[in-house]
Amino acid sequence: GAGVSQSPSNKVTEKGKDVELRCDPISGHTALYWYRQSLGQGLEFLIYFQGNSAPDKSGLPSDRFSAERTGGSVSTLTIQRTQQEDSAVYLCASSLAGLAGLAKNIQYFGAGTRLSVL
Amino acid sequence: SQKIEQNSEALNIQEGKTATLTCNYTNYSPAYLQWYRQDPGRGPVFLLLIRENEKEKRKERLKVTFDTTLKQSLFHITASQPADSATYLCALETGGGYQKVTFGTGTKLQVIP
Repeated sequence: GAGVSQSPSNKVTEKGKDVELRCDPISGHTALYWYRQSLGQGLEFLIYFQGNSAPDKSGLPSDRFSAERTGGSVSTLTIQRTQQEDSAVYLCASSLAGLAGLAKNIQYFGAGTRLSVL
Repeated sequence: SQKIEQNSEALNIQEGKTATLTCNYTNYSPAYLQWYRQDPGRGPVFLLLIRENEKEKRKERLKVTFDTTLKQSLFHITASQPADSATYLCALETGGGYQKVTFGTGTKLQVIP
């Protein structure tokens, strides 16, 4: 597609339920990133994919969070047993670069999924 | 670990003036630094990238400087317009074997007509 697409745009769930957030990156972009942004806060890095593998999962806050990427394209972020503190906007970005030695890593962001846990 | 500081207070500026936003970091100097713009309800949009060996970069009304001695980048918008009102984020390359960046918390700019 023309840009990074995320779905759903809004998700309201009850505490304890599982949620799946989807990211469709720009075609041909090998690198994919997930971030979390709480109200009035900066972007908190969650996970990075290069192709289908995730060499950096260091930002995932707990084992309730997981992500996968298939076919080098679509990625899904899953949050199990959601808690109220998981409420935030989850942003996905993709880029062409992602390997050491390349000078640029311009990230293209989706509009995000606003998650509200009641 | 690298700490990135951007002024968390909103910057209010009169239309036509130059807006200057600051990004300070605490540890090693990154290979490059980026600036993004974020509007409410949207994801950040890339504006400019400046490398460590570049002192200044310009794009239309935007200018970015990078001072590795002061560990600081300044982002200028000249002849500011109300449409420039947004939150501006700096992002620093943080190494780790791939082109990972770490974002600052951003500064909200309000241009008053």
